[in-house]
Amino acid sequence: NAGVTQTPKFQVLKTGQSMTLQCAQDMNHEYMSWYRQDPGMGLRLIHYSVGAGITDQGEVPNGYNVSRSTTEDFPLRLLSAAPSQTSVYFCASSPLFGELFFGEGSRLTVL
Amino acid sequence: GEDVEQSLFLSVREGDSSVINCTYTDSSSTYLYWYKQEPGAGLQLLTYIFSNMDMKQDQRLTVLLNKKDKHLSLRIADTQTGDSAIYFCAESIPPPRNTGNQFYFGTGTSLTVIP
Repeated sequence: NAGVTQTPKFQVLKTGQSMTLQCAQDMNHEYMSWYRQDPGMGLRLIHYSVGAGITDQGEVPNGYNVSRSTTEDFPLRLLSAAPSQTSVYFCASSPLFGELFFGEGSRLTVL
Repeated sequence: GEDVEQSLFLSVREGDSSVINCTYTDSSSTYLYWYKQEPGAGLQLLTYIFSNMDMKQDQRLTVLLNKKDKHLSLRIADTQTGDSAIYFCAESIPPPRNTGNQFYFGTGTSLTVIP
């Protein structure tokens, strides 16, 4: 039972590089989301999606893009990484009305 | 976003009870959740309470909800060293367009259990 799978678990980037964090879920959940976790700030919502082809911005969307071409996958793209994007990123999914299920997290360092 | 507030740190001795508190601002919450995050791991749902309930008990866990004061608490009885983790309070709020609940998380409370 895989649940929510995130890759990579760790990544180091240089300022200005781009990368994609992958997220896949096998629970047929409509809702998927990306959060970032920073010390003392809790979890902040970056982007979310309520179904294939539908995405929307959360609290801190700047510098990130998402797409939802399938129900299962919800990748997060950093177009030009900045040190302020050093964080732990969590993907989460849920039925439209239900609890969130989280991935194990991706730790990103931008030098 | 909505304001969900928690204290950052709590230390208790093994065997004592732990009480983690949370306040929220939106009275239209449908569910309130407690998630547990162990070091290096994602968040796992610990328990939840529907917004029209006052209390929920689940083995060593007791959740109390005071809707008037918008205050939620999690009590862990007989706290063990394995309970050391970060505990997040979260509320889910139905958005106007019926596109699924939105979740708002607190900052997390880091619980340290002293042997």
